[in-house]
Amino acid sequence: AQSVTQLDSHVSVSEGTPVLLRCNYSSSYSPSLFWYVQHPNKGLQLLLKYTSAATLVKGINGFEAEFKKSETSFHLTKPSAHMSDAAEYFCVVSANNFNKFYFGSGTKLNVKP
Amino acid sequence: EAGVVQSPRYKIIEKKQPVAFWCNPISGHNTLYWYRQNLGQGPELLIRYENEEAVDDSQLPKDRFSAERLKGVDSTLKIQPAELGDSAVYLCASSLQASGQYFGPGTRLTVT
Repeated sequence: AQSVTQLDSHVSVSEGTPVLLRCNYSSSYSPSLFWYVQHPNKGLQLLLKYTSAATLVKGINGFEAEFKKSETSFHLTKPSAHMSDAAEYFCVVSANNFNKFYFGSGTKLNVKP
Repeated sequence: EAGVVQSPRYKIIEKKQPVAFWCNPISGHNTLYWYRQNLGQGPELLIRYENEEAVDDSQLPKDRFSAERLKGVDSTLKIQPAELGDSAVYLCASSLQASGQYFGPGTRLTVT
């Protein structure tokens, strides 16, 4: 079975400081992992994905995530937060057939000026 | 490349009325998904299509919800009759194997 746990429902950072959004997964198969961002009243946008290639994945808008099998984690990071990063972020796992996706409950990122 | 298209973007209806949502996936994406997203929550899968076949509809409330994907491209999700608890954002997504899912902007349904 597959599942995702996003460890923080809300994260607040100051503009210009690092961002860390935590995600742990459970998967019976070699997982594929994704991070999506959802701005208010907008659809979900794919930030980055891990599909068994390099364990450090770079995405759009300066975000990156590292797949750590030993820790079953796929945390999302960004060196310096921008006001426009304020949104909700979802960690998603899929099984090896890529056709079924399991969403975490989301982390709302607040960026303070 | 055009993204996933959904219409309408917003819909307000009275309870017990029918409503339909339309989705056009990214060209070539054979897998299509309908999700419901309640306020403050993550998306919940309603139904997944592989081409024109519904391969996972276990979470679709079949007494009032129906969906179709004729010719394996566009899809329609219908609710009849709508209830107050159906107010949510209905998201359509499509995917092609390892590419991940690509989402449309969603339809925000308000049932009064």
